[in-house]
Amino acid sequence: DTGVSQDPRHKITKRGQNVTFRCDPISEHNRLYWYRQTLGQGPEFLTYFQNEAQLEKSRLLSDRFSAERPKGSFSTLEIQRTEQGDSAMYLCASSLGSLNTEAFFGQGTRLTVV
Amino acid sequence: AQKITQTQPGMFVQEKEAVTLDCTYDTSDPSYGLFWYKQPSSGEMIFLIYQGSYDQQNATEGRYSLNFQKARKSANLVISASQLGDSAMYFCAMREGDAGNNRKLIWGLGTSLAVNP
Repeated sequence: DTGVSQDPRHKITKRGQNVTFRCDPISEHNRLYWYRQTLGQGPEFLTYFQNEAQLEKSRLLSDRFSAERPKGSFSTLEIQRTEQGDSAMYLCASSLGSLNTEAFFGQGTRLTVV
Repeated sequence: AQKITQTQPGMFVQEKEAVTLDCTYDTSDPSYGLFWYKQPSSGEMIFLIYQGSYDQQNATEGRYSLNFQKARKSANLVISASQLGDSAMYFCAMREGDAGNNRKLIWGLGTSLAVNP
């Protein structure tokens, strides 16, 4: 296993279109996180899965956003009716979940909404 | 209120010299973990070092060490013998132990480090 992978790396879309991103975590990691990072900022938490269960969603995650993790393996993040304010880097991370274990990140998907 | 504060938007260091990147944090949770990540221009977050709130000794990982001052709530990253490849954004992050079972990371705004040849 080579780490967390995200697809696509870059996505340019027109305002109003739907987009879907995929994250494949490290296989033995039961926890998966999505973060959003805008220019000049640190990442902000969006949502978290433990196995297939989505256990927390940030208030940043409007109803246009939905995330799934079927079977507790890969995860998808969908944004419907994209807006220019959705332009950001979307980072996926996975971890084993204890307090002292680091989260491993993918290379991110950079979304540009035009 | 900011939970993680990085007061240095940008730092410069000469190659082979040491540099300290500042981080202060705010939590009432007695159990927490502090992390430093490096983000090069490619975008990936690369884990550097971890310090637990109950750890008695400062963490070290190769050229990276963490100057942990619990009473002052600071967790500064020290990079020794800087290399050109160290040029990147550096983020301090915290994970609170009792904040549910989430284990999400709370991040600072980052410090951009430039290593000069």
